[in-house]
Amino acid sequence: DSGVTQTPKHLITATGQRVTLRCSPRSGDLSVYWYQQSLDQGLQFLIQYYNGEERAKGNILERFSAQQFPDLHSELNLSSLELGDSALYFCASSVVGVNTEAFFGQGTRLTVV
Amino acid sequence: AQSVTQLGSHVSVSEGALVLLRCNYSSSVPPYLFWYVQYPNQGLQLLLKYTTGATLVKGINGFEAEFKKSETSFHLTKPSAHMSDAAEYFCAVSYSGNTGKLIFGQGTTLQVKP
Repeated sequence: DSGVTQTPKHLITATGQRVTLRCSPRSGDLSVYWYQQSLDQGLQFLIQYYNGEERAKGNILERFSAQQFPDLHSELNLSSLELGDSALYFCASSVVGVNTEAFFGQGTRLTVV
Repeated sequence: AQSVTQLGSHVSVSEGALVLLRCNYSSSVPPYLFWYVQYPNQGLQLLLKYTTGATLVKGINGFEAEFKKSETSFHLTKPSAHMSDAAEYFCAVSYSGNTGKLIFGQGTTLQVKP
């Protein structure tokens, strides 16, 4: 158990809908990262938050957004969903960035039908 | 652009044989290097990492990797494969100043045959 909790584990939704994925980082970790894993794109960095503020942005679509709350949990919001958004979405947390270990949650598998 | 290349999307070895998973990175600055393992229906778990210092890094489950700057490589090895090593392995890099986000290779699926 990495200590990072993601909910829900599975999500099936229709095209055009909006979903929210939730992540609770390890106790004491201030950094939260979101990654998308798909067959064609592999593991792609989406966005990072550090202590409530956006720190870095990667290949995140404009239809996607995220935030980190005062209790440090984070949510990834995906809207106007398309079939191609079907993927495994991982949250990871670390104490600080760069050379410290990132601990990954078990992921949320999103299926858009 | 910084990138990571894992040679071979699938590697198959016999139980007890040497495991060698290859990883090369492209970068003009020194990277921090990681190997993660992903078992089916699970998240990623860190096997080992190189930040500074000794270039031969030992990790969990008997794995080790050697950072070779001249070859821009960080290959993962294990002397003797176990059935339980069957999983997907990801090489990743991060860089000083990039906040800790990881750039992953495409992954290598390791199959271990009895």
